[in-house]
Amino acid sequence: EVQLVESGGGLVQPGRSLRLSCAASGFTFDDYAMHWVRQAPGKGLEWVSGIDWNSYTTGYADSVKGRFTISRDNAKNSLYLQMNNLRTDDTALYYCVKDWGNQWLGGWEVDYWGQGTLVTVSS
Amino acid sequence: QSALTQPASVSGSPGQSIAISCTGTSSDVGNYNYVSWYQQRPGKAPKLIIYEVSNRPSDISNRFSGSKSGNTASLTISGLQAEDEADYYCISYTSSSTLVFGGGTKLTVL
Repeated sequence: EVQLVESGGGLVQPGRSLRLSCAASGFTFDDYAMHWVRQAPGKGLEWVSGIDWNSYTTGYADSVKGRFTISRDNAKNSLYLQMNNLRTDDTALYYCVKDWGNQWLGGWEVDYWGQGTLVTVSS
Repeated sequence: QSALTQPASVSGSPGQSIAISCTGTSSDVGNYNYVSWYQQRPGKAPKLIIYEVSNRPSDISNRFSGSKSGNTASLTISGLQAEDEADYYCISYTSSSTLVFGGGTKLTVL
């Protein structure tokens, strides 16, 4: 059974940093691209970042470029999102999402989602 | 990168057909056949229902279909059922090598 378990969310002040983690199991992690997607309370979905199976290519939404860094450790079956200089509009539920394929570029076809970890940015 | 434009809500009666539009620009929807649609029921994770504009995963009913004309993609649901009540999101690849969602459409089955 595929499982994606996010952790690392919490309450943080504007300008501070947070690192999200996603522990993957039930599939061959290093065969697939992965993504982070967020959803602010009562709002729609926003793609945040994607990474290839081998970390060769990464991508970011304009809203987080230069502040967030996606990475993965295939040996640990883990995905990460380092979030720096957080802003109040980064407040959202952050989901770890598994791609169908091994590259994130192109169409967005995903098949498994974690339950999400809540990030609240507030003073 | 601005979000794709979807109607906030649509509604229909059981058995009817409805269409949800997703309007972008020549830098995203209009330039790539990389438009997907996701269904999100309350409290559930989004589920892929259409990919690459008009392809359906094998486990998705043929009542769901997708198309594109110019900068606008569309999702059509025929033979509307109560279980179709959900939020629907489109997403497209962009020329900036990013991905952008639509704002989402709430479908109400009357």
